[in-house]
Amino acid sequence: AQKVTQAQTEISVVEKEDVTLDCVYETRDTTYYLFWYKQPPSGELVFLIRRNSFDEQNEISGRYSWNFQKSTSSFNFTITASQVVDSAVYFCALSEVGGNEKLTFGTGTRLTIIP
Amino acid sequence: DARVTQTPRDKVTEMGQEVTMRCQPILGHNTVFWYRQTMMQGLELLAYFRNRAPLDDSGMPKDRFSAEMPDATLATLKIQPSEPRDSAVYFCASGLTTSGDTEAFFGQGTRLTVV
Repeated sequence: AQKVTQAQTEISVVEKEDVTLDCVYETRDTTYYLFWYKQPPSGELVFLIRRNSFDEQNEISGRYSWNFQKSTSSFNFTITASQVVDSAVYFCALSEVGGNEKLTFGTGTRLTIIP
Repeated sequence: DARVTQTPRDKVTEMGQEVTMRCQPILGHNTVFWYRQTMMQGLELLAYFRNRAPLDDSGMPKDRFSAEMPDATLATLKIQPSEPRDSAVYFCASGLTTSGDTEAFFGQGTRLTVV
């Protein structure tokens, strides 16, 4: 069975600080996808990134970066120079490939950026 | 800007009433998902369709819930009769599945309150 663990329930940092959100996953599949979604106070789920299990290269997109380490089954998300608009709940998710593409979500990390 | 559209955004209903939630997937997407978000259970898959055919509805209480895709531009989730424990945010997501890979884009959700 698949499982995604986001051990950090809530994090608060002062604006402009860097912050890392942890995600640890479990799966028996050799091929899978990992995702991060953002849920701002307005409630919608915003897609941030998808990573194939065969691609362990780190990804950077502006102030966002992702560190995928298969050896530790982790897919951590770092926001550099945080801004108030980054305040949201962030979800890590996992899906199989080639059969059941449903997303298994973690419980989310509520990030608050203090001005 | 293509997006998944869900209606209604908010619904308050009395216990025992029928509730129908609608979703218009992104044009051209062939996979549609229904997820439910609650404080206790987090985000969980209820059902999903590929090319309008149901693939997995194991997460859905069969006695009161039903999901359909009358055509490629409309997915519906119906609860009859509704109960207070059905109160949640219901998300629809759509994606284009190629080579067993689906990147899901979420709608803004329907917040259901059953009193």
